[in-house]
Amino acid sequence: SQQGEEDPQALSIQEGENATMNCSYKTSINNLQWYRQNSGRGLVHLILIRSNEREKHSGRLRVTLDTSKKSSSLLITASRAADTASYFCATVRLAGGGADGLTFGKGTHLIIQP
Amino acid sequence: DTGVSQDPRHKITKRGQNVTFRCDPISEHNRLYWYRQTLGQGPEFLTYFQNEAQLEKSRLLSDRFSAERPKGSFSTLEIQRTEQGDSAMYLCASSLEQGFTEAFFGQGTRLTVV
Repeated sequence: SQQGEEDPQALSIQEGENATMNCSYKTSINNLQWYRQNSGRGLVHLILIRSNEREKHSGRLRVTLDTSKKSSSLLITASRAADTASYFCATVRLAGGGADGLTFGKGTHLIIQP
Repeated sequence: DTGVSQDPRHKITKRGQNVTFRCDPISEHNRLYWYRQTLGQGPEFLTYFQNEAQLEKSRLLSDRFSAERPKGSFSTLEIQRTEQGDSAMYLCASSLEQGFTEAFFGQGTRLTVV
């Protein structure tokens, strides 16, 4: 089963615009991570935010986490054509809340129009 | 290259045959994960190991699937009596245990059952 649900499922924007993707999850977590996957390739880790953090930045990426709403958002600023990919959120559940394997959502497919 | 490597990259097999995939994780990583991914979906968790111990196994993993990590280093995933529904990308990832850090993914093995 999949823990997270990303929204929207697909997003198409113009180069230079900002892209926002959301993720909702179900159980209490230790941390939440975002990954990118280019077509037919493996996943690449982008950023990790722990349950006691509310916001984190990395380059053009900004991630927020709201544990009361069990949701997270990923913002990519000043998008580029190379950002075209699928983006997945993944959660690590709290120990004792079931096993703590890394569980992925279904992803948001982002297309950046040149 | 010191990343996660998977072998083979592609496998075509006839229905009913057995197949085995190999994953070599990053050497100092003690956690190893297997996922299955079909087109347009997120990675579905199959199983994970901490060192040589298999800590969790998804209900998706029927008794035709078995995974091993005998010495806590490389891992194998075997599918017996393959079915067409087993056609998918099989992804392996590894991570450090402490702090539930990010996972590093291999390029995957694409299985086609004909």
